Amino acid sequence: AQSVTQLGSHVSVSEGALVLLRCNYSSSVPPYLFWYVQYPNQGLQLLLKYTSAATLVKGINGFEAEFKKSETSFHLTKPSAHMSDAAEYFCAVRRGGFKTIFGAGTRLFVKA
Amino acid sequence: ETGVTQSPTHLIKTRGQQVTLRCSSQSGHNTVSWYQQALGQGPQFIFQYYREEENGRGNFPPRFSGLQFPNYSSELNVNALELDDSALYLCASSPQEGVNTEAFFGQGTRLTVV
Repeated sequence: AQSVTQLGSHVSVSEGALVLLRCNYSSSVPPYLFWYVQYPNQGLQLLLKYTSAATLVKGINGFEAEFKKSETSFHLTKPSAHMSDAAEYFCAVRRGGFKTIFGAGTRLFVKA
Repeated sequence: ETGVTQSPTHLIKTRGQQVTLRCSSQSGHNTVSWYQQALGQGPQFIFQYYREEENGRGNFPPRFSGLQFPNYSSELNVNALELDDSALYLCASSPQEGVNTEAFFGQGTRLTVV
């Protein structure tokens, strides 16, 4: 069975600092991977997705993620945090069919 | 093009009651999925509808049921509500059934069961 583990339920960074949100997946075959962001009282917005075309994926709002098969990881990064990045971030995996499995989420706090 | 819209935005129900949540999919999308997001957790897959038929289901009891209409809008029905059903219910639509197609989410319906 496939699953997703997000390391760290909370991450706090200073404005302008590097953002690193960790995600590891377990899957017997290369999966399709997604990062979503959720602002308070809102639905999910897709940041980026990995579909095997390239291991480094660039998304919206300056975020990017690198697929590392050897580490079964798909960590999300942003070089310089902005106050508006404060939100909940979800890593998700879909291997086949229809079911998307989400991680438990990481709440990002950005300090001024 | 309009996005995914859900109604109502908030709802309070009493234990044992029944509830219907509604979702209008994005224009051109024929696939709708429903998720339950409990407080502090990630979304959990309930089921998916493709061209008016359920084509996948998560670990939810039969009292969670759904429909998809010819215009691809959808309903989620929950019978015999329990306190643990309190959650944000998210609807997502996508343009086709496929592993790498992006799902577009609505704002959700916050259901509180008292």
